[in-house]
Amino acid sequence: ETGVTQTPRHLVMGMTNKKSLKCEQHLGHNAMYWYKQSAKKPLELMFVYSLEERVENNSVPSRFSPECPNSSHLFLHLHTLQPEDSALYLCASSQSGTGGYNEQFFGPGTRLTVL
Amino acid sequence: AQKVTQAQTEISVVEKEDVTLDCVYETRDTTYYLFWYKQPPSGELVFLIRRNSFDEQNEISGRYSWNFQKSTSSFNFTITASQVVDSAVYFCALSEAKGNEKLTFGTGTRLTIIP
Repeated sequence: ETGVTQTPRHLVMGMTNKKSLKCEQHLGHNAMYWYKQSAKKPLELMFVYSLEERVENNSVPSRFSPECPNSSHLFLHLHTLQPEDSALYLCASSQSGTGGYNEQFFGPGTRLTVL
Repeated sequence: AQKVTQAQTEISVVEKEDVTLDCVYETRDTTYYLFWYKQPPSGELVFLIRRNSFDEQNEISGRYSWNFQKSTSSFNFTITASQVVDSAVYFCALSEAKGNEKLTFGTGTRLTIIP
């Protein structure tokens, strides 16, 4: 595997379900990100992990819970979601510590539908 | 706070025409980086280019060229002799040197190349 991978690619869940999104990067990076992409809205940064520590949490509701067990893996745990949470969830990675210079590499995303 | 504006929501051109995608940004930092990403239908964002705030030289890469003008806070992207494979959503993004690895994205421009 190369680059950034995300599983599952598609997920349909009810409002009372609990599910997790998984992201894995094979690039040796030390920072990972979760973004939410909704129709006709800018990409919204949700969480940033740098050196496995959460350094950014953009006022994301507590029904989204991130986990970064090591620099290669990132999870987004979901519970009691709302229909408006339906979106494409993108994971990205980069080499941090360069003052914003390095580009981020993105996975293909998980298309989430909440019924 | 930083902001990126892509006023063109959707553009359609006939194959082989030239097309320019506009990007206007706002930031109070003197050191920052500007990016363009391409999002094909497969979903993952693909990095195209980065410019730093101290380098206003225009750049050309094959059929792609970028015009960075600090005086107008713009970083426009031109595709020459467009091809159907250029059809995608294009995002302009900004990161600040002090921004804790955050990328601020515009809302994107959906480009359709008509055969």
